[in-house]
Amino acid sequence: DQQVKQNSPSLSVQEGRISILNCDYTNSMFDYFLWYKKYPAEGPTFLISISSIKDKNEDGRFTVFLNKSAKHLSLHIVPSQPGDSAVYFCAASASYNQGGKLIFGQGTELSVKP
Amino acid sequence: NAGVTQTPKFQVLKTGQSMTLQCAQDMNHNSMYWYRQDPGMGLRLIYYSASEGTTDKGEVPNGYNVSRLNKREFSLRLESAAPSQTSVYFCASSEVGYGYTFGSGTRLTVV
Repeated sequence: DQQVKQNSPSLSVQEGRISILNCDYTNSMFDYFLWYKKYPAEGPTFLISISSIKDKNEDGRFTVFLNKSAKHLSLHIVPSQPGDSAVYFCAASASYNQGGKLIFGQGTELSVKP
Repeated sequence: NAGVTQTPKFQVLKTGQSMTLQCAQDMNHNSMYWYRQDPGMGLRLIYYSASEGTTDKGEVPNGYNVSRLNKREFSLRLESAAPSQTSVYFCASSEVGYGYTFGSGTRLTVV
């Protein structure tokens, strides 16, 4: 049973436009959410996170939105750049500040075209 | 500033062979993890170690064993490799409440 789902395996966007990556979860006990970015032949790297007490967190071109009632979060990248082309993983944790482990989604491969 | 180091980077095994994947971190993190990445499945937790001396099963532990050798090192052992264990394996470390730092992965093929 997949607790964290990324239903779009791939997304293609034009350079300069907005990229929106989506993630759904089923466990209402999740209290912390993260996005990781992964380039080929490298390990995932942390991008941005959000606590369940917030509904938005922004860091430069990256913004994460959390809709707890819908159990949905999204990552917005504005403007998109070719260097953003990578696989993006959504992750969630219950009791994160007490050592809860990360559960990852399947990943979405973003391609930003020049 | 190495972070998390995994060895080897690539490995081909025959069915039934055994091997150990090595992982070491230099960030003095208490927690360490082993994940596998498969197409369409994302990253799935195999085993984790919340602190030195403890290990616990994750989502997909069957066919694997782990050893937390000391605070720095966490190894993953395949006793009798199967084609279903063909995957990319990632080790990660963290402190409680902080994001994970991942190694660059080990690409394992079992033929």
